[in-house]
Amino acid sequence: GENVEQHPSTLSVQEGDSAVIKCTYSDSASNYFPWYKQELGKRPQLIIDIRSNVGEKKDQRIAVTLNKTAKHFSLHITETQPEDSAVYFCAASKGAGGTSYGKLTFGQGTILTVHP
Amino acid sequence: DAGITQSPRHKVTETGTPVTLRCHQTENHRYMYWYRQDPGHGLRLIHYSYGVKDTDKGEVSDGYSVSRSKTEDFLLTLESATSSQTSVYFCAISESGTGRIGYTFGSGTRLTVV
Repeated sequence: GENVEQHPSTLSVQEGDSAVIKCTYSDSASNYFPWYKQELGKRPQLIIDIRSNVGEKKDQRIAVTLNKTAKHFSLHITETQPEDSAVYFCAASKGAGGTSYGKLTFGQGTILTVHP
Repeated sequence: DAGITQSPRHKVTETGTPVTLRCHQTENHRYMYWYRQDPGHGLRLIHYSYGVKDTDKGEVSDGYSVSRSKTEDFLLTLESATSSQTSVYFCAISESGTGRIGYTFGSGTRLTVV
């Protein structure tokens, strides 16, 4: 099955700096890559996603890039703020068709701490 | 809230006892999932459902069973709880059929097996 590796496991930055989290996946059939943010004691929430027919996607201070050849994708957060502190998860899916049923395989998570 | 609720929110149970966690959705989504979250492991899929009475195993299904008799309810049962099943359990729903497969998660159930 799919395997998703996420690095680093912890990331500490100063407010205003950029943060980058990287994930690799094993199944070349995966075509959907979401990122989730989980604040302490809360549920994971989708913050951005990308499909395999797109190389980059931006939403204000957040961007995701995808390299299908190398089978890796990254989350970039610019101008970090203390409220960005959370656990971030990447995930991969082969989509909703066939027997995939939209299942997501998650990375291990990255604890991001933004220091004021 | 997000159209998905989990109950109970917290539970402490003894080793060897059966436990059932409930996930209820009001979105009429076809796909429902149960994950467990443990430090260093991220979120791991236990079981999932792609319709009423249609369920299948995920990567960590041993010791767990599920049932879905109605579109809105997906039950996760630990037949005989063990300490290794102490975890936070999340239910998730997905539209999927429209091509949108981003999950909406429930608030989670923190289960402690003593």
